[in-house]
Amino acid sequence: DTGVSQDPRHKITKRGQNVTFRCDPISEHNRLYWYRQTLGQGPEFLTYFQNEAQLEKSRLLSDRFSAERPKGSFSTLEIQRTEQGDSAMYLCASSLTVGGNTIYFGEGSWLTVV
Amino acid sequence: DAKTTQPNSMESNEEEPVHLPCNHSTISGTDYIHWYRQLPSQGPEYVIHGLTSNVNNRMASLAIAEDRKSSTLILHRATLRDAAVYYCILRDGGNFNKFYFGSGTKLNVKP
Repeated sequence: DTGVSQDPRHKITKRGQNVTFRCDPISEHNRLYWYRQTLGQGPEFLTYFQNEAQLEKSRLLSDRFSAERPKGSFSTLEIQRTEQGDSAMYLCASSLTVGGNTIYFGEGSWLTVV
Repeated sequence: DAKTTQPNSMESNEEEPVHLPCNHSTISGTDYIHWYRQLPSQGPEYVIHGLTSNVNNRMASLAIAEDRKSSTLILHRATLRDAAVYYCILRDGGNFNKFYFGSGTKLNVKP
C-alpha cells in the first residue's frame, strides 16, 4: 500500500502525559498536512509543511502541540501535557505542489485522554 | 476561505441515484470545488473535483452551476457502501495550501 500511513492508529493516555504521532506521506509528496477531528465534526486544519518547512499553523495549535518534518519526508505531531479536550482523531494528509490539486488522507490516529 | 453550505443529512434507497447539493455563493474565480467522503472511523477519501465544467469519474459526477455558486454531487446508483459523510470543499487554485471542511452531509442508504 503506497498511501499515507499513520502510527499508532489508537492511543490511550493519561492526562498530563506526552504523546507523539507519526505520519509517512505518499512518496514524493512534498506537502504534508495535519488535521484534527472530533466526533460529529469535520476535520479542522492544524498545520502544513512544504518539504521540511512548516509554512502555516492554525490558532488551534496551542503551545503544547509541536509538529516537525525534519527531512522533508515523515512528520511527527507531539502533544505535551495532554488534556481531555485533546481527545480526537488526528489526520495526516499529503499532496504534490505542482498539480497537487488533490490531498490524500491517512486513516487517522485516535487519541483518548483519560 | 470561501464557505460552503450543505444539508446535514440525506437519505436514499439502494440502487437509486443520489443528488447531494452544495451552495458556495462566495466562490472566487480561482476556487476549485472538491468533494470528499468519509466512512465511519476512516480518513476522508477523494471523490471528485472540478472548476467550471461538469466532471465524471468512476465514483460520481459533479454538476457545477453556470454561475458556480452551487454544485451537485451525483451518485448514479447508491450502494450501502456509499453511506458516509460527504464534504463539499473549496480550494484556492492559486494557493494549494489546505482544505477547510464544513460539517458535511451524512448520507444514509436504505436497502
